[in-house]
Amino acid sequence: AQSVSQHNHHVILSEAASLELGCNYSYGGTVNLFWYVQYPGQHLQLLLKYFSGDPLVKGIKGFEAEFIKSKFSFNLRKPSVQWSDTAEYFCAALTGGGNKLTFGTGTQLKVEL
Amino acid sequence: NAGVTQTPKFQVLKTGQSMTLQCAQDMNHNSMYWYRQDPGMGLRLIYYSASEGTTDKGEVPNGYNVSRLNKREFSLRLESAAPSQTSVYFCASNPGLGTGELFFGEGSRLTVL
Repeated sequence: AQSVSQHNHHVILSEAASLELGCNYSYGGTVNLFWYVQYPGQHLQLLLKYFSGDPLVKGIKGFEAEFIKSKFSFNLRKPSVQWSDTAEYFCAALTGGGNKLTFGTGTQLKVEL
Repeated sequence: NAGVTQTPKFQVLKTGQSMTLQCAQDMNHNSMYWYRQDPGMGLRLIYYSASEGTTDKGEVPNGYNVSRLNKREFSLRLESAAPSQTSVYFCASNPGLGTGELFFGEGSRLTVL
């Protein structure tokens, strides 16, 4: 069965610091990858997605992620975080029949002023 | 533009009671999903419906039943609630056909005493 791993469970950064959140998936075939964000008290929203093509994907609010097939990774990055980026971030993968999205356990990001 | 609507938003049950969480989407999506979110465990798929008239088990189906009433509505039923079912439940929908992007409702917080 496929799985998605997020190794950083809690991350605390100061404003303007750079961010990289790790995501690894275990599936050898074609995989589509996603990052979702959940702001405090809100539902999940799509941040960015990778289906094919350029492995560097740009999303909303200055976020980007790089798909590295050889490392089974899809890390999320942002050059300079803001206080408003405080949220929980989930990596997810879609494989096989394409009906079920598998989520990682999430990373709580806190950005301090 | 409602998107995905879940009711109720909050519910407290006693062990052994039953209840149904309702979900409706107005985006004409084919696929619908029920996830539960627990601290440190991310989102886990309970059941999904790839299309009207079909339902399938996800990772954690035990203790739950679902009904895809029509294309718009997908309900989740707890027949005999247990404290382990205390969680936040999210309904989501997707156009289907492997597009991957899920549209989430705002969540239903259930506490079982």
